[in-house]
Amino acid sequence: GQQLNQSPQSMFIQEGEDVSMNCTSSSIFNTWLWYKQDPGEGPVLLIALYKAGELTSNGRLTAQFGITRKDSFLNISASIPSDVGIYFCAGLMGAGSYQLTFGKGTKLSVIP
Amino acid sequence: DTAVSQTPKYLVTQMGNDKSIKCEQNLGHDTMYWYKQDSKKFLKIMFSYNNKELIINETVPNRFSPKSPDKAHLNLHINSLELGDSAVYFCASSSTGNSPLHFGNGTRLTVT
Repeated sequence: GQQLNQSPQSMFIQEGEDVSMNCTSSSIFNTWLWYKQDPGEGPVLLIALYKAGELTSNGRLTAQFGITRKDSFLNISASIPSDVGIYFCAGLMGAGSYQLTFGKGTKLSVIP
Repeated sequence: DTAVSQTPKYLVTQMGNDKSIKCEQNLGHDTMYWYKQDSKKFLKIMFSYNNKELIINETVPNRFSPKSPDKAHLNLHINSLELGDSAVYFCASSSTGNSPLHFGNGTRLTVT
């Protein structure tokens, strides 16, 4: 099946720093999604991207849908302690695909 | 108010037992899913139902049997539980097969 390569696997950063993580795939996706998972909870949607080249922001978060449709990145600016968690990229192949493929996650730790 | 709710949140049981996890969504979505998250936090799809019809059945042992009595509910029954079934199971829903998923808060299954 499709695979998403997400990096880095984990990050330790100081509060206030900017963060960047990305996902790449050998397959083309029509939709890229970024989720955050807090301990003991389910993944929560942060940003959805539907068009190649699309750049979308949600507060301090910015994500882009790569032109080749095989990659996406997520940036977090001016990190705060509550940004701690696991961030997942996910891709959908197309209409009626019914199958969201997830990256393996980036575990973010923020040092106050 | 909870959009996707699953019960129980924790389930501890012995090998060989049969158990069920229930899921309900009040979002009016047509599609529901079961995902398994292993100890390394990798999220893997197990099943997908669209309007009560099974769409995706990944390579899951047939000890796992999903049931969708209506499009707002998707339950998961597991027979003859094994140690390797220990994981967090997430229910999710989406409006279509190509829309972002909304996740429940998970059921942590521990088989002893």
